[in-house]
Amino acid sequence: DQQVKQNSPSLSVQEGRISILNCDYTNSMFDYFLWYKKYPAEGPTFLISISSIKDKNEDGRFTVFLNKSAKHLSLHIVPSQPGDSAVYFCAASKRTGKLIFGQGTTLQVKP
Amino acid sequence: DAGVIQSPRHEVTEMGQEVTLRCKPISGHDYLFWYRQTMMRGLELLIYFNNNVPIDDSGMPEDRFSAKMPNASFSTLKIQPSEPRDSAVYFCASMGTGELFFGEGSRLTVL
Repeated sequence: DQQVKQNSPSLSVQEGRISILNCDYTNSMFDYFLWYKKYPAEGPTFLISISSIKDKNEDGRFTVFLNKSAKHLSLHIVPSQPGDSAVYFCAASKRTGKLIFGQGTTLQVKP
Repeated sequence: DAGVIQSPRHEVTEMGQEVTLRCKPISGHDYLFWYRQTMMRGLELLIYFNNNVPIDDSGMPEDRFSAKMPNASFSTLKIQPSEPRDSAVYFCASMGTGELFFGEGSRLTVL
């Protein structure tokens, strides 16, 4: 049972445009959500997070939106840059220390 | 701090052989996680420890897989006997408070 789902395996956008990566979850007990970024041959690295008491968190070009009623979160990257090309993983937690990850979405930003 | 250190980075072995993957977490982190990256399921949690004690091993695929954490600075993931379907990248991650920090992964190929 996949509790965290990223239904789009890949996304391609033009440099300078907005990238929107989506994530759905099924467990209403999740209260902390994170996005990780992964380059080839490297481990995932933390990008941005959001607590369930918020609906938006912004860090520079990266913004995460949380819609609890829809059990949906999204990551917006504006403007997108070629260096943003990577695999993006959505993750969720119940603050027990156990992070559940989605399948990942491969973002390609074209110059 | 050098971050989470995993070894080996790459291993190629034959079916039926024993495989041992190693991890040194970041000093002071109380949680240690083993994940496996697959195309279908993304980052799949296998097992995690808190203060060297296994908390949840429900993600371990079958009895061929075992993990230990004899002390706060070392953990192993063992596969015995290995099978071709075990071929994947295995990540170790540690956490103090907040986000996970991942190692660079161990790429396992079972022929």
